Amino acid sequence: QLQLQESGPGLVKASETLSLTCNVSGGSINRNIYYWAWIRQPPGKSLEWLASIYYSGISYSNPSLKGRVTISLDSSKNQISLKVNSVTATDTALYYCARQWDVAVVGPEAPFDHWGQGTLVTVSS
Amino acid sequence: QSVLTQPPSASGTPGQTVTISCSGSRSIIGTNFVSWYQRVPGTAPKLLVYSTNKRPSGVSDRFSGSKSGTSASLAIRGLRSDDEADYYCAAWDDSLTGRVVFGGGTKLTVL
Repeated sequence: QLQLQESGPGLVKASETLSLTCNVSGGSINRNIYYWAWIRQPPGKSLEWLASIYYSGISYSNPSLKGRVTISLDSSKNQISLKVNSVTATDTALYYCARQWDVAVVGPEAPFDHWGQGTLVTVSS
Repeated sequence: QSVLTQPPSASGTPGQTVTISCSGSRSIIGTNFVSWYQRVPGTAPKLLVYSTNKRPSGVSDRFSGSKSGTSASLAIRGLRSDDEADYYCAAWDDSLTGRVVFGGGTKLTVL
């Protein structure tokens, strides 16, 4: 059974860098049929896609974040990581990692078929 | 303001069929597949429909998706109390460098 577990600091100071890790168990991230993604949900707001990455390292990120987002993976640890720099209060959100898969599509446009439980990050001033 | 427009709320009584709409543009819904997610408060989102009208293994056939032009819909047949949740549509946006976009979400209340 695939499981994704996000972890991170919980509280980050404004202007600093937010770093999160997603530990994947029950399956390898090093497969050419999946993308892996980060999505967030600010309090009271909708979901927002942040970035996706392929096992080869090819990545895509949301242009609305203006280059502040970096996604990476560590196949040896079966982990996906996210960094968001220069955070502000608007980066306060529940952050999810997810797997993307569709038998007909291998790309960042594939649906998110498995999600972690999410980790809450609060940006303090 | 989300790129995909959903009604903020919907409601129905047990046994009814409820439809949730998702409106977008040609570069989004018009040319790409739509997926739908259910989020019960306190739990992770769950994929209900992908490729506009396909269901993952284990998802009830009470949930069905469709698309016409630049709008998509999620229908929930035989409404049950445990269908009470937030529902989100999502699709790929071909504009600029490309991105995944979500709808604003629809809170479904089972009366």
